[in-house]
Amino acid sequence: QKEVEQNSGPLSVPEGAIASLNCTYSDRGSQSFFWYRQYSGKSPELIMSIYSNGDKEDGRFTAQLNKASQYVSLLIRDSQPSDSATYLCAVLRGSSASKIIFGSGTRLSIRP
Amino acid sequence: NAGVTQTPKFRILKIGQSMTLQCTQDMNHNYMYWYRQDPGMGLKLIYYSVGAGITDKGEVPNGYNVSRSTTEDFPLRLELAAPSQTSVYFCASSYGGRGQTDTQYFGPGTRLTVL
Repeated sequence: QKEVEQNSGPLSVPEGAIASLNCTYSDRGSQSFFWYRQYSGKSPELIMSIYSNGDKEDGRFTAQLNKASQYVSLLIRDSQPSDSATYLCAVLRGSSASKIIFGSGTRLSIRP
Repeated sequence: NAGVTQTPKFRILKIGQSMTLQCTQDMNHNYMYWYRQDPGMGLKLIYYSVGAGITDKGEVPNGYNVSRSTTEDFPLRLELAAPSQTSVYFCASSYGGRGQTDTQYFGPGTRLTVL
C-alpha cells in the first residue's frame, strides 16, 4: 500500500461544475496535509493546507480532512479551464520536514 | 525577489559523467530541499537542509550528494550518472520547516536526461 494514494485520473469536469479530488494516506500519525497544483512542465505551488478535521475554505477551494477515515479531499467550485492541472496531495507524517510524502497526483481537465 | 532559482534548465549527461545542479534562494529561508519527479509520479525527497552546514538524507539519497555552505545556496551533486537518474529535479525552500505553518516554494526545475 502506498503511503499517499490518489486516483491518477484524468478527471474531466465541465466548466462551472464542482471538481472533487480525493487522497488517502496510510500513517495514522500524520499531522498536516497539503494540496499542490502543478501545471504541465511547471513546478508545484501550494494552494491549500489543512491540519484539523473538518472543512477549510479559501475562495473557490475547500479542503476536507477526516483523520478517522485517513482521507483528505479538495473541492474546486465553479471550475475554470485554468484549473486544468495535476493536483498533488502531500502529507506530513511527523514534525520533521523530511517526512512530507507526496502522492502521484490527479490530472484534472476542465472542459468548456 | 527572484525566489528560488535553479540552473541549468536542461542537461543531457552520458552514463558515468558527473554534474552539479545549482539552487539559490533569496528569501532568507532556513530550510532547503531537493526533490526528483519521475514522469506521472509525485515528488520524492532526495536531501534536505535545515540551515547552513546541516544536511540530511531524504527518501532517495543514493547517487547524490549535497552541501550547504551558505543560507542561500544548496547544490546537488550527481556522481557517476546512471539512466535511473533521468528525472526532473526541483529545489524548494521554506522558512522554518514547521509543517503546520510552513510553505515550500519551488524552483522551476532542472530536466536531466542520462543516456
